[in-house]
Amino acid sequence: QKEVEQNSGPLSVPEGAIASLNCTYSDQGSQSFFWYRQYSGKSPELIMFIYSNGDKEDGRFTAQLNKASQYVSLLIRDSQPSDSATYLCAVNIDYKLSLSFGAGTTVTVRA
Amino acid sequence: DAGITQSPRYKITETGRQVTLMCHQTWSHSYMFWYRQDLGHGLRLIYYSAAADITDKGEVPDGYVVSRSKTENFPLTLESATRSQTSVYFCASARDGSNTGELFFGEGSRLTVL
Repeated sequence: QKEVEQNSGPLSVPEGAIASLNCTYSDQGSQSFFWYRQYSGKSPELIMFIYSNGDKEDGRFTAQLNKASQYVSLLIRDSQPSDSATYLCAVNIDYKLSLSFGAGTTVTVRA
Repeated sequence: DAGITQSPRYKITETGRQVTLMCHQTWSHSYMFWYRQDLGHGLRLIYYSAAADITDKGEVPDGYVVSRSKTENFPLTLESATRSQTSVYFCASARDGSNTGELFFGEGSRLTVL
């Protein structure tokens, strides 16, 4: 089982809709969860992080964490064409000093 | 300019050749990392360093060597390149351990091994 798994996508949503991305992780001891956005041909950049169960909102982005279910999600509200990118879920694995990344979900927002 | 820079950005080499990818950061971050990114695998950690002269293996270290004699530099060497090492390589840095803080990535180095 992979340490971090994401919906492979691609996910296509119309402009203005909500894009929902899901991520599950295997290590029950994980404490830190991150979402990175990566535009085609570019490097990843951090857009959200969450440490506690529940929701965390930042502008049009909401991260949701459920440690009991080992599940973290990212909602993008009012999706814009500029949101078209690959979204990487990253989780700290307790016995490592580094993050483990999922394979990413590619989102395309249709104008 | 402040930031994290990688060189070369693009490299084509032949099987068996030695290749070194350079990474330089100006933030004096303690932690530095090398990842490779391949379709379907996401980012996989090759090596990381918690400080100068301290390095450790990541998930896929075979065939790679790193050093960190200075805080700001973290070169990655492929001792004898193989076709399976064709990939995009990202260097990253973090002030604290990446499990608690933000990773800052370089622009990436696209390596093709023929």
